[in-house]
Amino acid sequence: NAGVTQTPKFHILKIGQSMTLQCTQDMNHNYMYWYRQDPGMGLKLIYYSVGAGITDKGEVPNGYNVSRSTTEDFPLRLELAAPSQTSVYFCATRPPGGRNTGELFFGEGSRLTVL
Amino acid sequence: GENVEQHPSTLSVQEGDSAVIKCTYSDSASNYFPWYKQELGKRPQLIIDIRSNVGEKKDQRIAVTLNKTAKHFSLHITETQPEDSAVYFCAALNSGYSTLTFGKGTMLLVSP
Repeated sequence: NAGVTQTPKFHILKIGQSMTLQCTQDMNHNYMYWYRQDPGMGLKLIYYSVGAGITDKGEVPNGYNVSRSTTEDFPLRLELAAPSQTSVYFCATRPPGGRNTGELFFGEGSRLTVL
Repeated sequence: GENVEQHPSTLSVQEGDSAVIKCTYSDSASNYFPWYKQELGKRPQLIIDIRSNVGEKKDQRIAVTLNKTAKHFSLHITETQPEDSAVYFCAALNSGYSTLTFGKGTMLLVSP
């Protein structure tokens, strides 16, 4: 099992460009999340999904969009990239079970720089 | 929504000393509190967690305590080693059981 796979691992984007960060999982987990981590800071939730076809905003959704057409994939789209979106992006999954299962499984991260 | 405060932001100890990191949360309905360790350039990984029906949990050199009345929980690392150096995050599962809110992290440095 590959677990949670994120691509690309590194990317440099110009201001105003758009791109998609890919996240795919083979653990059949219902919940999927996108977090961003700025240097020296904690993890801030961008968007999350509790299952295919359902997405919800997190703490910092502005400038991003997501979709969840399958259980496996949860891409994050950046529209009109800005320097403030320079960050490390982590995709994470969580198994079903609601209150009894809280562990997140993280991908390796995607380091994005906007210049 | 849930708010998680974490202290201190940095902690330096000598090898063999104990380290304590403290967190408070705001949502009294939260019932699951994990701790993650993130080494430099790596992904966060779960090291220990606690649920609201217990007050303390131990796993070798690490332990977590929970005080639901005061809405705070703490991570205790005994006999620290240089490989314990990392950023540690506390988190709380929100009352709807769908998202985790993280603290801002504590950078622990263990000097030989």
